[in-house]
Amino acid sequence: GQQVMQIPQYQHVQEGEDFTTYCNSSTTLSNIQWYKQRPGGHPVFLIQLVKSGEVKKQKRLTFQFGEAKKNSSLHITATQTTDVGTYFCAGYLNKFYFGSGTKLNVKP
Amino acid sequence: NAGVTQTPKFQVLKTGQSMTLQCAQDMNHNSMYWYRQDPGMGLRLIYYSASEGTTDKGEVPDGYNVSRLKKQNFLLGLESAAPSQTSVYFCASSYNWGETQYFGPGTRLLVL
Repeated sequence: GQQVMQIPQYQHVQEGEDFTTYCNSSTTLSNIQWYKQRPGGHPVFLIQLVKSGEVKKQKRLTFQFGEAKKNSSLHITATQTTDVGTYFCAGYLNKFYFGSGTKLNVKP
Repeated sequence: NAGVTQTPKFQVLKTGQSMTLQCAQDMNHNSMYWYRQDPGMGLRLIYYSASEGTTDKGEVPDGYNVSRLKKQNFLLGLESAAPSQTSVYFCASSYNWGETQYFGPGTRLLVL
């Protein structure tokens, strides 16, 4: 069945280092969304990508959607302690399929 | 606006007991969702309601039932609780099916 795989599962970085998480789908998606969940909190929407090859930026965050609309990435430049949390992708093809998330820990 | 609210925040059940988790949204959203979140497994869709009065099964519907009698409310029922249903349950809503989802704060359920 439809799956969205997300790697890595965990990432520990020193404050100021970069961070990237990747999502891969077994089939072509209609769109992909990214969410952030702070420890003990609930998922919060970050962005939606719809077009093939689309790149969007939000300050230090860069989101990409692959040409085949099967993969996506989230890159954070110069991480800060406020970036701590779990980042989820959610691929949409008639239904939402969430990746298992990447838990980011940032050491000050 | 309160957004998406869920009650209760915490619940402890004994195996075999039943209960209903409540979700309400005040954003006039058409679609609502119930997810469960287990460690290392991300969010899995239990049931969803694309529009008022309709409900459909998601990825893991067994042992649950839902009702959406009012547009603003989406109820998740556990018929006979099992330890495997220990999880964090999130309700979400979106204006239309497939659009940005807004999540509630979650219900932490422990089944003994």
